[in-house]
Amino acid sequence: NAGVTQTPKFRVLKTGQSMTLLCAQDMNHEYMYWYRQDPGMGLRLIHYSVGEGTTAKGEVPDGYNVSRLKKQNFLLGLESAAPSQTSVYFCASGVGYEQYFGPGTRLTVT
Amino acid sequence: DQQVKQNSPSLSVQEGRISILNCDYTNSMFDYFLWYKKYPAEGPTFLISISSIKDKNEDGRFTVFLNKSAKHLSLHIVPSQPGDSAVYFCAARGHTGTASKLTFGTGTRLQVTL
Repeated sequence: NAGVTQTPKFRVLKTGQSMTLLCAQDMNHEYMYWYRQDPGMGLRLIHYSVGEGTTAKGEVPDGYNVSRLKKQNFLLGLESAAPSQTSVYFCASGVGYEQYFGPGTRLTVT
Repeated sequence: DQQVKQNSPSLSVQEGRISILNCDYTNSMFDYFLWYKKYPAEGPTFLISISSIKDKNEDGRFTVFLNKSAKHLSLHIVPSQPGDSAVYFCAARGHTGTASKLTFGTGTRLQVTL
């Protein structure tokens, strides 16, 4: 039982490049979430999903897109990366009020 | 508008003493409050929670107190241990339709010294 896994762990992008972050969970959770963590800002919700095929915007969705084609996977895409998207990205899954987090992806945009 | 606030960025406590981490919130519609613990280079892990209809929840060395009238909660760790050194996030749950969303505070870095 791996819980929540994220790939890649680290990535450096140039401004304007695109990439996809992958989140996978093996706990059969309906809800999945993408957060970003910046110094002094805590965790902020980017997008979330309440089930396969559904997505919704969170607090800071601009510049990101998501897809949930399979229940166990939640993808976060950056179409044209900007330096302001330099951050640590966390995926979580959950049921009820509790959320389980992955180890994070550290993304640097130069 | 920050709905969940942790006003102390850091706290240093001696091993064996009590650690008290504080959190304030503004939204009276939050129905659950949670504390997460985060070590460097790892994701946050759930520590303890409390329903808005309770005023105390205890789990081993960890106790969370909720004061609804003051919109304030606190996490007590007794006794503190070096392994407790981490960043602690307070979070509150609100609902939007069927979604269960958490709003996080900015975190408090706890250092437990020998």
